[in-house]
Amino acid sequence: ETGVTQTPRHLVMGMTNKKSLKCEQHLGHNAMYWYKQSAKKPLELMFVYNFKEQTENNSVPSRFSPECPNSSHLFLHLHTLQPEDSALYLCASSQSGLGRNEQFFGPGTRLTVL
Amino acid sequence: GQQVMQIPQYQHVQEGEDFTTYCNSSTTLSNIQWYKQRPGGHPVFLIQLVKSGEVKKQKRLTFQFGEAKKNSSLHITATQTTDVGTYFCAGPRNTGTASKLTFGTGTRLQVTL
Repeated sequence: ETGVTQTPRHLVMGMTNKKSLKCEQHLGHNAMYWYKQSAKKPLELMFVYNFKEQTENNSVPSRFSPECPNSSHLFLHLHTLQPEDSALYLCASSQSGLGRNEQFFGPGTRLTVL
Repeated sequence: GQQVMQIPQYQHVQEGEDFTTYCNSSTTLSNIQWYKQRPGGHPVFLIQLVKSGEVKKQKRLTFQFGEAKKNSSLHITATQTTDVGTYFCAGPRNTGTASKLTFGTGTRLQVTL
């Protein structure tokens, strides 16, 4: 266990549904991230939160809406997704500002959009 | 924007053979990190290299950071089936407070008996 949990682990949704992915980190880190991992592309950074403030939105479509209520929790709200949004969504956290700033990943949510 | 490429994309070796993956960045990096993702799993941090020309070893794994800090390699000696997975290098995008990483394209390693 890396100290980063994600729920649900698997999600199947229709294009008209609204769902949310949840991430929680128990490591006391101050930065959290959402990544998308699909079969034919490298890990794509979607959003970065540093001290609860969004510091990056990597040209992500508005059908993905992040929320970071505190430094331990991160959500990704999904609505009117497309089939090409099917992927593994990974949450990660890190302690920014230190020399070694590796990221700790959660197990991911495998999302299928029908 | 910054790009990080890895070669090969895929390698299949027999147990006991050596394996190397190469990572090349389009920009100079302040440091480079390596991650391993087992099939069905999530990326797990292996190591970070910071200094030009740095070499670090973890048991059968040897990591190098190039002199120009634009490339890196991971070499596994005498592979085992437990080495199966995808290996990613990652470099920071800027010197901001959060560690925004650009991940490489990954090298998938398959090891058979």
